[in-house]
Amino acid sequence: GEDVEQSLFLSVREGDSSVINCTYTDSSSTYLYWYKQEPGAGLQLLTYIFSNMDMKQDQRLTVLLNKKDKHLSLRIADTQTGDSAIYFCAIASSSNTGKLIFGQGTTLQVKP
Amino acid sequence: GAVVSQHPSRVICKSGTSVKIECRSLDFQATTMFWYRQFPKKSLMLMATSNEGSKATYEQGVEKDKFLINHASLTLSTLTVTSAHPEDSSFYICSAPLGGGTEAFFGQGTRLTVV
Repeated sequence: GEDVEQSLFLSVREGDSSVINCTYTDSSSTYLYWYKQEPGAGLQLLTYIFSNMDMKQDQRLTVLLNKKDKHLSLRIADTQTGDSAIYFCAIASSSNTGKLIFGQGTTLQVKP
Repeated sequence: GAVVSQHPSRVICKSGTSVKIECRSLDFQATTMFWYRQFPKKSLMLMATSNEGSKATYEQGVEKDKFLINHASLTLSTLTVTSAHPEDSSFYICSAPLGGGTEAFFGQGTRLTVV
């Protein structure tokens, strides 16, 4: 079945760049997503990338997609303490009806 | 972006009682909604797909008689946890896809604690 893997924890210093990595198994996914979850809150859609793109940039966020290696990454430039949260990589299931398969989530800790 | 509202955000109930959680799409119609469950420090696990006008589709291992889903209208899906037990305590989140399923918007989640 479809599977999404992420590293569980990342710690960076304020002002540095953060890179969160994700690998997946289903190559038929049309869309790949990054969500942010703050403590006790729901999920906030940060960005998504269409599978025929290699890169997407949105202000401090850069998403890189390597379809050959089935690898997705999220780079946060100039990381701030407010970026501390859990970041989930998600892929649309092969039926592409809005059903998402999530990674385990990467906890980003930003130290002042 | 589109808004999905989930209610209540927190609920505490006694063992053996039932709890209903609502998920509403506020500014768009959703023929399909999804219910996820999140364990502490864990990823989101899809429980079921809620279909307007027909029965929900449950994922393997999810008890349909325990987690009753009703998709009453194009903007409302409900999840009822019946005869709740402490092991049902969890964070439940709904989502609704917009348009052709390009984006899925999530409710703010419901923290259920069964005592």
